[in-house]
Amino acid sequence: DADVTQTPRNRITKTGKRIMLECSQTKGHDRMYWYRQDPGLGLRLIYYSFDVKDINKGEISDGYSVSRQAQAKFSLSLESAIPNQTALYFCATSDRDRGPYEQFFGPGTRLTVL
Amino acid sequence: RKEVEQDPGPFNVPEGATVAFNCTYSNSASQSFFWYRQDCRKEPKLLMSVYSSGNEDGRFTAQLNRASQYISLLIRDSKLSDSATYLCVVNSGHSGAGSYQLTFGKGTKLSVIP
Repeated sequence: DADVTQTPRNRITKTGKRIMLECSQTKGHDRMYWYRQDPGLGLRLIYYSFDVKDINKGEISDGYSVSRQAQAKFSLSLESAIPNQTALYFCATSDRDRGPYEQFFGPGTRLTVL
Repeated sequence: RKEVEQDPGPFNVPEGATVAFNCTYSNSASQSFFWYRQDCRKEPKLLMSVYSSGNEDGRFTAQLNRASQYISLLIRDSKLSDSATYLCVVNSGHSGAGSYQLTFGKGTKLSVIP
């Protein structure tokens, strides 16, 4: 089984809808991250969390919110989806005690907002 | 200057060729450096960490030049399976909570041709 899982893997929705993307991990890592990837722009950090009570904004947090329900779960919400949020979304994890702090990614969620 | 800059390619090389990718980073306080590999529509996967003394893993050699803020990846004896996008990744090196943020280059695409 994959260490980092994301659901759904693909989603098509309409402008204005609320969408939640979920991430679960069995790696036992304390740190979790949400990124989006757009062609030509690379990976950009949306939000990150260092433990259950810690939430931090990344480079492009506007229009998104997150919830860290447990150490193993980190969900990303789009409160009112818009077409320019069409992208590939990745969840990632890292271990506080394991230098040099590389991150491990889930398989991604392909989101299309019409 | 962009934080992490890579030649986007594509690099089209024949099987068996040696190919080198370069990357520059702007934050002199960066502490950790990585090369990730990303196959089309898949998640990024850690290829190797990059150490100051340089390091080798089979056909792959990574080098770091802190003075020039430059990282390289050399692939010898290219295989068809090496075809992918290679992402240069740098720990942003900020103090406090930001210490573990990774900044991703946009990637260099490699196609190994039979």
